[in-house]
Amino acid sequence: QKEVEQNSGPLSVPEGAIASLNCTYSDRGSQSFFWYRQYSGKSPELIMSIYSNGDKEDGRFTAQLNKASQYVSLLIRDSQPSDSATYLCASRQGSQGNLIFGKGTKLSVKP
Amino acid sequence: DTGVSQNPRHKITKRGQNVTFRCDPISEHNRLYWYRQTLGQGPEFLTYFQNEAQLEKSRLLSDRFSAERPKGSFSTLEIQRTEQGDSAMYLCASSLVGTRPDTQYFGPGTRLTVL
Repeated sequence: QKEVEQNSGPLSVPEGAIASLNCTYSDRGSQSFFWYRQYSGKSPELIMSIYSNGDKEDGRFTAQLNKASQYVSLLIRDSQPSDSATYLCASRQGSQGNLIFGKGTKLSVKP
Repeated sequence: DTGVSQNPRHKITKRGQNVTFRCDPISEHNRLYWYRQTLGQGPEFLTYFQNEAQLEKSRLLSDRFSAERPKGSFSTLEIQRTEQGDSAMYLCASSLVGTRPDTQYFGPGTRLTVL
């Protein structure tokens, strides 16, 4: 059974702080990883994708991948109240095909 | 707005009735995916198409569920003899194979409530 595990939270951080979201996956064949943001009642919105070990930065977001540890993380710098949402981690075998999602981590950024 | 549209946005039905949902992907996208999401869970894969061919179906997709993409453009998902356990958000996503990353863009979803 291919699984993606996330701490469901809620994770609460003050405005301006760094939020750290973590994810582990069970399938060593997974090659690509995604972070989606989902506001309550809305559909998932892609934030970052990462394929290679190391860090990938995009604005306030940094995704980190460690394939040896089967671990993916997302850092959000200078967190804003508008970042309050559920963050979904997803994996995929290869470069195509369906995504396997975790249950998501609920983030709350307090003003 | 990602450019993926789904209709209807909400559907309330009685147990035992049939329902059909429609997804219109981003126009040049050749892959179309269906997922189901229940409260507190991440989306679960149901099935996907490349053009008009249905390439994979999840074990979650019972024989009461059928999906089509007749001309390789829009897709429909039909649930026959609905059960209360079918209540969920049904999400459609599309992507363009051959691009890197092969990003899946989600539509707004159809929320199904089975009474």
